[in-house]
Amino acid sequence: QKEVEQNSGPLSVPEGAIASLNCTYSDRGSQSFFWYRQYSGKSPELIMSIYSNGDKEDGRFTAQLNKASQYVSLLIRDSQPSDSATYLCAVASGYSTLTFGKGTMLLVSP
Amino acid sequence: GAGVSQSPRYKVAKRGQDVALRCDPISGHVSLFWYQQALGQGPEFLTYFQNEAQLDKSGLPSDRFFAERPEGSVSTLKIQRTQQEDSAVYLCASSFDSVTYEQYFGPGTRLTVT
Repeated sequence: QKEVEQNSGPLSVPEGAIASLNCTYSDRGSQSFFWYRQYSGKSPELIMSIYSNGDKEDGRFTAQLNKASQYVSLLIRDSQPSDSATYLCAVASGYSTLTFGKGTMLLVSP
Repeated sequence: GAGVSQSPRYKVAKRGQDVALRCDPISGHVSLFWYQQALGQGPEFLTYFQNEAQLDKSGLPSDRFFAERPEGSVSTLKIQRTQQEDSAVYLCASSFDSVTYEQYFGPGTRLTVT
């Protein structure tokens, strides 16, 4: 069974700090990796996608992928209180069905 | 429309009632997915359509769950004889095609079975 593991948190960081969110996955055949942000009571919002080993940067967000270690991470620089949310790691293999982790709650304090 | 829309946003059903949840994907998106999200959990896959073809229904929890997308656009998820364990948020997502894996979610339908 395909599994995606995340620390449930909460991860607490002060405003302006770097938040580091981690995810491991079990299926070595996984090809595509995503980070979704979910505010309380809202639906998941796609914030990053990464398909090959290495880093991908988009604004304050950097996604990192290491397929050999089956590890994905998301770094949020200059964290803001508005970044407080649950971050879901999702992995795709085969055609395109996503397997999600349970999410990590991030709390950014002013 | 600009994004995926779902209706109703909230549904309360008495145990044993049938419900129908609607999803209208982003215009032109070929692939459509249904997920179920329980409180404190990540979304779990239910079923997948490519155009009007239902290519995977392996996540549907029982034969009380049925989904269709007859014209390759709007989709309906139907739950017959609802049970309390069906209470969850039902999320619909669409993606441009079967190769692009980026999925965009609708606001969800919160189903409460009493």
